[in-house]
Amino acid sequence: QKEVEQNSGPLSVPEGAIASLNCTYSDRGSQSFFWYRQYSGKSPELIMSIYSNGDKEDGRFTAQLNKASQYVSLLIRDSQPSDSATYLCAVNGKYNFNKFYFGSGTKLNVKP
Amino acid sequence: DAGITQSPRHKVTETGTPVTLRCHQTENHRYMYWYRQDPGHGLRLIHYSYGVKDTDKGEVSDGYSVSRSKTEDFLLTLESATSSQTSVYFCAISVGEGMGEQFFGPGTRLTVL
Repeated sequence: QKEVEQNSGPLSVPEGAIASLNCTYSDRGSQSFFWYRQYSGKSPELIMSIYSNGDKEDGRFTAQLNKASQYVSLLIRDSQPSDSATYLCAVNGKYNFNKFYFGSGTKLNVKP
Repeated sequence: DAGITQSPRHKVTETGTPVTLRCHQTENHRYMYWYRQDPGHGLRLIHYSYGVKDTDKGEVSDGYSVSRSKTEDFLLTLESATSSQTSVYFCAISVGEGMGEQFFGPGTRLTVL
């Protein structure tokens, strides 16, 4: 079982819609959760971090964490074509908080 | 911009040759990481460092070694490159004593023929 699972997509949404990206993780002791955006041929860039249960909002982005169900989600409101990218979910390890495990990413296409 | 550079940015080499990739940071972060990224696998941790001369293995460390003799530099060495090590390699730093956000360098595209 992979430590972090994501649907590879592609997820297609029309411009202006809400895009919902999901991630599940296997290590119940993980404490740090992150979403990164990666454009083709570029390096990952941090979008959001979340450390406690509930929602965290930053502009058009909302991260949601449910530790009991072991899932993290990212909502993108008012999706723009510039949001088209691969979104990577990352969590840290239970016994080694300094190690990070990444999902394989979900490709998002926002259609004009 | 976390002040992370990687060199070289592109490299083509032949099977069996040694290869060293360099990661340089300008902000004295304690934690540094090397990942490889392959289609369908996302980012996989090779090695990481939590200080000068302090390193630990990641999930795909076989065939790789690292060294960190200065805070700002973290080197990744492929002792004898194989075609399976053709990949894009990313260096990253972590803030918040290693539990926090990671920031990535621009990447090195390595091709082993």
